Amino acid sequence: AQTVTQSQPEMSVQEAETVTLSCTYDTSESDYYLFWYKQPPSRQMILVIRQEAYKQQNATENRFSVNFQKAAKSFSLKISDSQLGDAAMYFCAYRSANSGGSNYKLTFGKGTLLTVNP
Amino acid sequence: KAGVTQTPRYLIKTRGQQVTLSCSPISGHRSVSWYQQTPGQGLQFLFEYFSETQRNKGNFPGRFSGRQFSNSRSEMNVSTLELGDSALYLCASSRGQYSGNTIYFGEGSWLTVV
Repeated sequence: AQTVTQSQPEMSVQEAETVTLSCTYDTSESDYYLFWYKQPPSRQMILVIRQEAYKQQNATENRFSVNFQKAAKSFSLKISDSQLGDAAMYFCAYRSANSGGSNYKLTFGKGTLLTVNP
Repeated sequence: KAGVTQTPRYLIKTRGQQVTLSCSPISGHRSVSWYQQTPGQGLQFLFEYFSETQRNKGNFPGRFSGRQFSNSRSEMNVSTLELGDSALYLCASSRGQYSGNTIYFGEGSWLTVV
């Protein structure tokens, strides 16, 4: 079974600064997807960024980028120019690329609560 | 384009009762999955449906059940409620044909069992 670990329960950053959230995962599969979801106080899970394991290039979405290290099974999220609206719980998630059996699900980490200080 | 809609948003039930939660996926999405979120256990997968067929089920007791209708709308039911069932229940949808489809979440249904 796959597991996802987020070792930082809480992080804080000053507005306009850069912060990196860590995520490691364990899997025996070679093809999979990794995601970062943001959950603000409204509790709706919002997709921030996704990475396909077969792609070596790190994904980027505006101020959000990832550092994907497949051999190390590491998938960190970097938020540049942090804004007050970035304050939320961030979840790292894994999904198998094999379409079948037990793979139609996301496996989440425990989350990292990000505080942005003005 | 409307997002994933969950009803009711908030509800309070008494131990021993049953509850039904509803989820309407994004138009055109045929896969619906359910997750339970609690402070202690985090986000846990309940089950996933595609074209009215359950494709996967998480490690939850048989009191937790679900179904999907021909219009892709889904319901989940919890019978004989226990205090530990108090949680945020999140529904998510995707096109579902392959595992790379992006998954979109609703705002959740808050269930409190007293």
